[in-house]
Amino acid sequence: AQSVTQLDSHVSVSEGTPVLLRCNYSSSYSPSLFWYVQHPNKGLQLLLKYTSAATLVKGINGFEAEFKKSETSFHLTKPSAHMSDAAEYFCVVRMNTGFQKLVFGTGTRLLVSP
Amino acid sequence: GAVVSQHPSRVICKSGTSVKIECRSLDFQATTMFWYRQFPKQSLMLMATSNEGSKATYEQGVEKDKFLINHASLTLSTLTVTSAHPEDSSFYICSARDDRGRFSEQYFGPGTRLTVT
Repeated sequence: AQSVTQLDSHVSVSEGTPVLLRCNYSSSYSPSLFWYVQHPNKGLQLLLKYTSAATLVKGINGFEAEFKKSETSFHLTKPSAHMSDAAEYFCVVRMNTGFQKLVFGTGTRLLVSP
Repeated sequence: GAVVSQHPSRVICKSGTSVKIECRSLDFQATTMFWYRQFPKQSLMLMATSNEGSKATYEQGVEKDKFLINHASLTLSTLTVTSAHPEDSSFYICSARDDRGRFSEQYFGPGTRLTVT
């Protein structure tokens, strides 16, 4: 079975400092992994995705993530946080069989202080 | 990216009534759509997979008679919450799978906030 674990329920950073949101995955196959962001009372926006191409994936709004097979990790980073980055972030793995369902992590709330 | 809409964005209904939520793929055809439920401060939980022209596939623990799903066309899936009760109050999100590219992609609607009084 495929799953993701987000290690931190909350992460607090100051504006202008780096962001690190951690995600570990479990998969029997080479996984497809995603990071989504959800602002309060809003739908989901895709930040970036890994689908077995380059291991360093660049996304929107300055975010990137690195797929590390040896560590089964797909951590999300950003060099400098903005106030507008405050939101809920979900690490997601896509099942490679059947309907290709998405399995969501429990989410990490990013708090950005001035 | 492709666009998925949901209607309504918010709905308030009385206990015992039924509510229908629409999910539309606006610029692509979607054979497969998904319905999720999200409680406050929690992650998304997949409720069911909706397939055009066939019965929906429900996840374990989801009452198929309570949450009726109809995928009548390649651009529209509906979720009807029947005999709604306050515990059904939640944020309902749909997604539609776009199979046009090398890798399929799911695009999410903006969500529907259901409040049952």
